[in-house]
Amino acid sequence: SQQGEEDPQALSIQEGENATMNCSYKTSINNLQWYRQNSGRGLVHLILIRSNEREKHSGRLRVTLDTSKKSSSLLITASRAADTASYFCARNKLTFGKGITLSVRP
Amino acid sequence: DVKVTQSSRYLVKRTGEKVFLECVQDMDHENMFWYRQDPGLGLRLIYFSYDVKMKEKGDIPEGYSVSREKKERFSLILESASTNQTSMYLCASSLFGRAFYGGGQPQHFGDGTRLSIL
Repeated sequence: SQQGEEDPQALSIQEGENATMNCSYKTSINNLQWYRQNSGRGLVHLILIRSNEREKHSGRLRVTLDTSKKSSSLLITASRAADTASYFCARNKLTFGKGITLSVRP
Repeated sequence: DVKVTQSSRYLVKRTGEKVFLECVQDMDHENMFWYRQDPGLGLRLIYFSYDVKMKEKGDIPEGYSVSREKKERFSLILESASTNQTSMYLCASSLFGRAFYGGGQPQHFGDGTRLSIL
């Protein structure tokens, strides 16, 4: 199984702070994706990073990948209340983690 | 923008009924997927399809079947609904290729169908 761990399970921060979420996996991957899910909605794709990439940016989002440690991080800078959502990482073969619940307090 | 539309947001059915969940995508994507999402378990893949009339089992196919007669439509069928199939069901699509092997494409999700089996 390519299931790994996402941590923390839940994160509560103040608006304006940075949020860091981690995803680890057990077997080798070709790529890893991060998704966001707002309450009661479907998942929205955020970033895809391939195994030969170490870092990608998209607006306030930064994703890193360390294949030697089998882990990835999603950093949201200058968080906003609208960033409140669940965040999922998905390894290739479409294995999703259980998600990280992020709460951003106004 | 890709739009994935699930026919119902909420559905209530009775034990033993045959239940159909419908999903339509409007961007000519080859791959379509059905997941269920349960608290504490995350998303689990039920079935996916990489072409019309083609399907492959995901991680939890038991109790479910699927149908893909047209490229834009992917149906999930609960042959005889049971209470343990009460869940949120999510449909997704992605552009091309047999995504099960290697992935590497963003998936576009519908807003889900919250199904309750009484």
